[in-house]
Order: sequence, then C-alpha cells, then structure tokens
Amino acid sequence: DIQMTQSPSSLSASVGDRVTITCRASQSISSYLNWYQQKPGKAPKLLIYAASSLQSGVPSRFSGSGSGTDFTLTISSLQPEDFATYYCQQSYSTSITFGQGTRLEIK
Amino acid sequence: EVQLVQSGAEVKKPGESLKISCKGSGYSFTSYWIGWVRQMPGKGLEWMGIIYPGDSDTRYSPSFQGQVTISADKSISTAYLQWSSLKASDTAMYYCARQGVQMTAPFDYWGQGTLVTVSS
Repeated sequence: DIQMTQSPSSLSASVGDRVTITCRASQSISSYLNWYQQKPGKAPKLLIYAASSLQSGVPSRFSGSGSGTDFTLTISSLQPEDFATYYCQQSYSTSITFGQGTRLEIK
Repeated sequence: EVQLVQSGAEVKKPGESLKISCKGSGYSFTSYWIGWVRQMPGKGLEWMGIIYPGDSDTRYSPSFQGQVTISADKSISTAYLQWSSLKASDTAMYYCARQGVQMTAPFDYWGQGTLVTVSS
C-alpha cells in the first residue's frame, strides 16, 4: 500500500492566520491527491481534488498544490468554521489510503 | 440533488452477523463507484473497499479482504456492507461515499454514517 504521511498531526492557530498542512506519499502518485475536512460528528467533506482543483462550493481561501510525492493544503485566512480535522487521500492506487489526519485547533 | 442515505445505528453482540446499507439517489447509481470507509472511535479514516454497482466489480483493501463483504442491488440503488461474525474491534462509524466514474476520482458525496457498536 502507498503510505500517506501528514504533518503536523495537530496545529493551533488563530482566526485570520495562514495555515499550511503537508502530505507526503511513500511513492509518486502524480496528482491523484484529495483533501477532506471533517468536523466532529459529521461525515468528511471534499475540499480539493486532483491536488489543486477546488471542489464546487468550497471557499476560495482553500487551495492545494503539489505533485509526485509532496503536497500541501493551504488556508489563506482561517475562519471560525475551519477548525476541524483535515485528511489527505491518494486515489492513484486501486488500494486507496488516507493520511492520519491533521487536527486544526483554535489558539 | 445527490444523496447517500445510510441505515441506522446498530448494537450487536460478538459473533452476530450484520448488513448495513447505503441508498443513492439523484444520480445514475450504476455509473459511479461507491466506497466504504471505517472510522474507529477517535481515529482516522480507513478505506475498506469499493463496488461498481453497474457490474458489481468489487475491490477490497488488503486490511479488510475476507473480513467484510461489499455488495450492491442496482434495482434499488443500494450498496451494502456486511459481516458474518462481528468482533468488538468492529465497533466504529462506517461511511459510504460516491467515488465517481473513475476509480481515481475523489469521494465527492458521503453518507451520514452508520454507527456500529459490538459489545457483549
């Protein structure tokens, strides 16, 4: 299986901050990298697909970049509703894998 | 509107069998892969497997192969996840999600989740 490693595992930030979360794949996955947001008690929500494409309805403060093995999710100006857990996921392999998650907390 | 509606919470004893469901609506159910994802209490997301309802082509994560069975009934636009003998370690939230036409597509719509509790 392709291993997906996110960093950091948790992060404290303030409203208005710029935040970057990193995801690294154990082998090249081209641009088959997706990002999800999950709030407590809710199903995950797709934010970014194909590394850098913004899912319909997702605010433009979210952006993604990268290809190959290294990827980033950036939130340009944190809003109160952005405090959640974020997961990367590779869909390059038929055996899909998720990163372990990054918990974004209010400072 | 695309919707995936999952069956309700279940409380079972170890050794019992269980089948949970995921009903799709608002799109062509037979044209998109449907996946199942496990989330154990306080933990991350784990991909279990996917099925293409059009022809029932099914793929499993190596971690879940032989532990669960994924199936679909395209006549009623419903996918299923089943266990023949539950263990306490199967206690988790289970989500179904639409993957898209290609297996490389993201999970763009998710069900609300089914909480499975296995306890003696």
